[in-house]
Amino acid sequence: NAGVMQNPRHLVRRRGQEARLRCSPMKGHSHVYWYRQLPEEGLKFMVYLQKENIIDESGMPKERFSAEFPKEGPSILRIQQVVRGDSAAYFCASSPMGLEGDEQFFGPGTRLTVL
Amino acid sequence: GDSVTQMEGPVTLSEEAFLTINCTYTATGYPSLFWYVQYPGEGLQLLLKATKADDKGSNKGFEATYRKETTSFHLEKGSVQVSDSAVYFCALDQTGANNLFFGTGTRLTVIP
Repeated sequence: NAGVMQNPRHLVRRRGQEARLRCSPMKGHSHVYWYRQLPEEGLKFMVYLQKENIIDESGMPKERFSAEFPKEGPSILRIQQVVRGDSAAYFCASSPMGLEGDEQFFGPGTRLTVL
Repeated sequence: GDSVTQMEGPVTLSEEAFLTINCTYTATGYPSLFWYVQYPGEGLQLLLKATKADDKGSNKGFEATYRKETTSFHLEKGSVQVSDSAVYFCALDQTGANNLFFGTGTRLTVIP
């Protein structure tokens, strides 16, 4: 049973470009979470999605960031017009039921560098 | 609001030393508490968890007890190994939400 897959593992973008980060949850999991880890900091929650629905986006910046989890295919975190402050590791996690206390299984992360 | 305060690192120990990493929390309601470990270049892995007061989570020689009276969830291991070198994160799931709230992490280095 493959774990949570994220790609690319490393992404380099110039300021103003778009970044697309992909996450395939574990098989059988329909709940996906995105977190951002700035250098030397803990992870900060961004958004929680189920298939075709955004459940909680309270941690998402209001501009330039969007997320989706279509019926088919991976979840996508999209950052438009990237700035240097977007440089971070972005982690995706999945869980089977989305219940409090459920374990979230994390992917290896995508390290975004904005030049 | 909810918060997690972790012992600041880095922590450097000799092999076989005793480890304690302190974690305290503030939360409304009764959150579940977690310790995650992040090895270099990898994502986070769940190390252990506790879902209610007085529960003890344990795994790979690590353990932590959910102490409601002191709002703490300190991580301990009796004898660390070089392979335990990693960053350790304390976390809680916010009551009524479906996301994890993390501490800032504590980097542990174990030297032979």
